[in-house]
Amino acid sequence: DAGVIQSPRHEVTEMGQEVTLRCKPISGHNSLFWYRQTMMRGLELLIYFNNNVPIDDSGMPEDRFSAKMPNASFSTLKIQPSEPRDSAVYFCASSYLNYGYTFGSGTRLTVV
Amino acid sequence: AQSVTQPDIHITVSEGASLELRCNYSYGATPYLFWYVQSPGQGLQLLLKYFSGDTLVQGIKGFEAEFKRSQSSFNLRKPSVHWSDAAEYFCAVGEGRDDKIIFGKGTRLHILP
Repeated sequence: DAGVIQSPRHEVTEMGQEVTLRCKPISGHNSLFWYRQTMMRGLELLIYFNNNVPIDDSGMPEDRFSAKMPNASFSTLKIQPSEPRDSAVYFCASSYLNYGYTFGSGTRLTVV
Repeated sequence: AQSVTQPDIHITVSEGASLELRCNYSYGATPYLFWYVQSPGQGLQLLLKYFSGDTLVQGIKGFEAEFKRSQSSFNLRKPSVHWSDAAEYFCAVGEGRDDKIIFGKGTRLHILP
């Protein structure tokens, strides 16, 4: 298994631009999580899906953030418009019945 | 509500010395407990987990952790650390098999040669 695959690994964009982060979870996993990691705030849960349905999006910071999971093998996190304070590493993780998450390698987002 | 406390932000130990990283949780029932490790520039990797049964759990890379209900703790241990163990370690707690887990703030481990 290739693990959780995130793309791109790095993204540099200008303030105001739309950013889309992508995640392919492990086949057979039924839950998917999006996290944001910064030095100041640590690891924050943004949203999670169970069986492709959003369960808890209370961590999504603003309406500028949106996430979708159209099928069991793909999810996106979109920021529109992006701002410098969105700069962070964004992780996707998947799990099966909460036996423990498998994390992707992350996307390092820099908004200038 | 669940919470996880890792009281040590940084820990420094000498290579070959023993290690214990502390983790305390707050949860009413028997929690699901995890330890993850994050090397620089990498995602988090699961070291070990506790759901039920034997309170001493073995993980990868020679790590173990002990669940102590009376102390609400799940401390991570290793008898002899290697330079490659330098990383950030996260304790996490979950409510149930289909729920999210909450991560602590992490403990950064430094190894002295």
